[in-house]
Amino acid sequence: DAGVTQSPTHLIKTRGQQVTLRCSPKSGHDTVSWYQQALGQGPQFIFQYYEEEERQRGNFPDRFSGHQFPNYSSELNVNALLLGDSALYLCASSSLGQGSYGYTFGSGTRLTVV
Amino acid sequence: GENVEQHPSTLSVQEGDSAVIKCTYSDSASNYFPWYKQELGKRPQLIIDIRSNVGEKKDQRIAVTLNKTAKHFSLHITETQPEDSAVYFCAATPFSGGGADGLTFGKGTHLIIQP
Repeated sequence: DAGVTQSPTHLIKTRGQQVTLRCSPKSGHDTVSWYQQALGQGPQFIFQYYEEEERQRGNFPDRFSGHQFPNYSSELNVNALLLGDSALYLCASSSLGQGSYGYTFGSGTRLTVV
Repeated sequence: GENVEQHPSTLSVQEGDSAVIKCTYSDSASNYFPWYKQELGKRPQLIIDIRSNVGEKKDQRIAVTLNKTAKHFSLHITETQPEDSAVYFCAATPFSGGGADGLTFGKGTHLIIQP
């Protein structure tokens, strides 16, 4: 049974560029949440997607956007990258009925902005 | 919104001793409190959780206690082993079962088990 898979594992971008990160949820899960984890900090909630719609959003600017596809996979897009966007981006999947109760995290994408 | 404070930021204990990590939360609507363990370079993994309708939950060497009145919850690890060395995060959310309940995490505790 495949867990949550994220791609790419590492990425280096230049300030001002745009980036797309991808997540495939665990088999049987239909809800995808994205978190940003800065070095030495706890993960911060970005947003959650269910039925291809954003259901809840954390305190992140509009430069952060997402999408969920009919197969439940999801993308996180960040525009106009800033140095402060350098972080580990974690995807977590769950079933709607369980919300964060059934979270399974992926291993993350390490984004470095230079 | 919810705010979760976690202490200490670093905890060093002798192998075999107990470790306690404490968290406080601000939103009285929060009712679900998971704990995650994250080893270096790896994904966060759920180790134990508690809902607000119980005061304590135990799973082998790990236990969590919750005081709703004081808005704090704690992780207790007994008989610590070298493999317990990791960063531990507490989190809170007003879990409704409806899916729209992002977790608010603490800043983490780096637990070091001394041989």
